Amino acid sequence: GAVVSQHPSRVICKSGTSVKIECRSLDFQATTMFWYRQFPKQSLMLMATSNEGSKATYEQGVEKDKFLINHASLTLSTLTVTSAHPEDSSFYICSALSKALSGANVLTFGAGSRLTVL
Amino acid sequence: QKEVEQNSGPLSVPEGAIASLNCTYSDRGSQSFFWYRQYSGKSPELIMFIYSNGDKEDGRFTAQLNKASQYVSLLIRDSQPSDSATYLCAVNTGGFKTIFGAGTRLFVKA
Repeated sequence: GAVVSQHPSRVICKSGTSVKIECRSLDFQATTMFWYRQFPKQSLMLMATSNEGSKATYEQGVEKDKFLINHASLTLSTLTVTSAHPEDSSFYICSALSKALSGANVLTFGAGSRLTVL
Repeated sequence: QKEVEQNSGPLSVPEGAIASLNCTYSDRGSQSFFWYRQYSGKSPELIMFIYSNGDKEDGRFTAQLNKASQYVSLLIRDSQPSDSATYLCAVNTGGFKTIFGAGTRLFVKA
């Protein structure tokens, strides 16, 4: 099946620094990837849709200048949290769409990246 | 009305019992329906998906879809403590966007 690799799994940074998270589709091409954020004991929140070769589409309330998304190739999307603050501490998860044999679009998740901002 | 609704639970069942998880959706044009399992601190993993009315079985899991009622469910037979997790129902309308429910927490008591 489709595999999505996400790195790093954990990152701790100081307030004011920037952190980059990578998301790779390992055995398929992903023209569309998605970035989610999840706070403890809360549901997944879609942050943005990453489109290869074009600008990302951000959900309402998500600051595009703070959460920079780059999808430069068919297998790689990156999320950069700029000038991170403690309130940005969260679990960030990427996902990618792949086609099942049935033709259904199936979403596969990366393992997630736990960000802690001190 | 939320697009995908699930009872947040927790749903508690004894080991060996059948756990029944339910989900309703609002968009009649929805085409594909997914069940994901998420353990605490981990990312969601796909259990199975269904796109035709009726039942689909995979091991101890059975997904049931009723498009007329806009209802999808997941049955877990012979529940094990390791099945304790949050189960996310997700719906795709045929485009790129997959809409998730808030999830149902399941506890299987040993």
